[in-house]
Amino acid sequence: AQKVTQAQTEISVVEKEDVTLDCVYETRDTTYYLFWYKQPPSGELVFLIRRNSFDEQNEISGRYSWNFQKSTSSFNFTITASQVVDSAVYFCALIRGGSQGNLIFGKGTKLSVKP
Amino acid sequence: EAEVAQSPRYKITEKSQAVAFWCDPISGHATLYWYRQILGQGPELLVQFQDESVVDDSQLPKDRFSAERLKGVDSTLKIQPAELGDSAMYLCASSSGTGGLGAKNIQYFGAGTRLSVL
Repeated sequence: AQKVTQAQTEISVVEKEDVTLDCVYETRDTTYYLFWYKQPPSGELVFLIRRNSFDEQNEISGRYSWNFQKSTSSFNFTITASQVVDSAVYFCALIRGGSQGNLIFGKGTKLSVKP
Repeated sequence: EAEVAQSPRYKITEKSQAVAFWCDPISGHATLYWYRQILGQGPELLVQFQDESVVDDSQLPKDRFSAERLKGVDSTLKIQPAELGDSAMYLCASSSGTGGLGAKNIQYFGAGTRLSVL
């Protein structure tokens, strides 16, 4: 069975603080993909990043960075120097690497960045 | 930038009434998904289409829910009759690939339809 766990339900930080959102996944597949999506109050899910199971290289995009560790089945997301516009619910998701795969989402982490 | 279009954005209905949601995926995207998101939870798949064919509807409550994608482009999700427990956000997504394969498996989401059943 596949499962994604986001243990942090809500996080509150003050602007300019760094914050890390945790994601732990379970899968028996050897080929899979991991995603992060952002859901602002308006409701749409915005794609942030995708990682496949064979690429453990960490990635940095501006203030965002992702740490993928297969040894601990984790795919954590760090926002450096957080801003008020980062306030949203963030979802980690998993998809198996087959032809019939849907996203398995965690329950999300609500991030509030206060000025 | 191409987007997934959904309508209506909000729907309020009474228990036992029929409701319908519409989704127009990004042009050229063969795969279309309907997800349901209960408040405080992550989205869960209801149905997946590949062109006009249903690929996965194992989580769709077929006694009251139906979905179609007749010409392999836009799609309609219907609930009849609506129940109180159906109150949720209904999200549509599309991808250019098939399920989890390769570089085309990024799913792009619409803004959703928020349903309230009274």
